Amino acid sequence: GAVVSQHPSWVICKSGTSVKIECRSLDFQATTMFWYRQFPKQSLMLMATSNEGSKATYEQGVEKDKFLINHASLTLSTLTVTSAHPEDSSFYICSASSVSQGIEKLFFGSGTQLSVL
Amino acid sequence: DQQVKQNSPSLSVQEGRISILNCDYTNSMFDYFLWYKKYPAEGPTFLISISSIKDKNEDGRFTVFLNKSAKHLSLHIVPSQPGDSAVYFCALYNFNKFYFGSGTKLNVKP
Repeated sequence: GAVVSQHPSWVICKSGTSVKIECRSLDFQATTMFWYRQFPKQSLMLMATSNEGSKATYEQGVEKDKFLINHASLTLSTLTVTSAHPEDSSFYICSASSVSQGIEKLFFGSGTQLSVL
Repeated sequence: DQQVKQNSPSLSVQEGRISILNCDYTNSMFDYFLWYKKYPAEGPTFLISISSIKDKNEDGRFTVFLNKSAKHLSLHIVPSQPGDSAVYFCALYNFNKFYFGSGTKLNVKP
């Protein structure tokens, strides 16, 4: 079955540094990937929609200069949290869209816990 | 290797009847089980959860059942309403990682 790999699963960094999170679709091509942010036991907040070869579409209130998204290939999207601050500490999850037999499915990565000191 | 499976990609139910959404998993080490509901172009919304020490949790029209011996999780919606039409994801949590099912599209017909 389709698998999405997200790396790293856990990162601790100092305030002011940048962190890159990778999201890969392992056995399918994902023209669209999504990035979410989640606080414990809460809804996943959609941050941005990433389309291969084009600029990401950011949701209202999400700073595009702070959360840089690159979707350079059909199997890889990256989220870079630039100049991270403690309030950016959260759980980040990606998902990739796949259409099979006319049905669209979403496959999720296992998430990245970011802790900014 | 998928650790969480939702084998029914879609489900159609008449308004007022019960909707039953199922989720199977392979790893018995999960601590926490969640259901999310997703509308198009939005992020999944948290619905209801259950910890591994319980077998049932109820919240209004939504009830989640956990059968650990069968490694099976289900969500019951009763009575179903047209506004419940969405994609439902089960998610399992352990060791700071989430594992999501691929979703079941529920259509509640008026």
